[in-house]
Amino acid sequence: KQEVTQIPAALSVPEGENLVLNCSFTDSAIYNLQWFRQDPGKGLTSLLLIQSSQREQTSGRLNASLDKSSGRSTLYIAASQPGDSATYLCAVPESGNTPLVFGKGTRLSVIA
Amino acid sequence: DGGITQSPKYLFRKEGQNVTLSCEQNLNHDAMYWYRQDPGQGLRLIYYSQIVNDFQKGDIAEGYSVSREKKESFPLTVTSAQKNPTAFYLCASSASIGNQPQHFGDGTRLSIL
Repeated sequence: KQEVTQIPAALSVPEGENLVLNCSFTDSAIYNLQWFRQDPGKGLTSLLLIQSSQREQTSGRLNASLDKSSGRSTLYIAASQPGDSATYLCAVPESGNTPLVFGKGTRLSVIA
Repeated sequence: DGGITQSPKYLFRKEGQNVTLSCEQNLNHDAMYWYRQDPGQGLRLIYYSQIVNDFQKGDIAEGYSVSREKKESFPLTVTSAQKNPTAFYLCASSASIGNQPQHFGDGTRLSIL
């Protein structure tokens, strides 16, 4: 059964710092990996989707990489801002075209 | 704008009562999902539906029921059999299962009176 782990559980950084969030999964036979952002009391917003054939995806200051063989993904946030403060979750399908399995998320605080 | 609407935002349940959470989408998506989120936890899948008139149990379906009579709508009923229903419930949709970005509603927070 697919399991997704995110480390660290919480992270606090000063504004302007570059940072990396980590995601690992146990079954490397994935179709894709998605990164989401969740603000307090809100639903999730999809940030990036990396297909299994891709190694990375970029959107603005965000860059997500995928290493299927090692079962890892990283989300790189450049020049962090207080508005980046949120919980970031990664998710992969259980297997094939199946619903997503989510990690517990990393709670990020960017201090002005 | 296209999106997912969940209602109500807050809901209170009395002991022994069934309550229904609404989820409507206008994204023309085939797949819809219900998740439960507890404090400090990730999302756990309750039920999902790949197409109208079809739905599958997720990891924690006991005490819940769903229907999918219309493409746009996927209501979730929390029955009295669910002994610990207090949680944040999130509805999501995607064009198809697994391989498309999921879009989420803003959630319903359910509490016990």
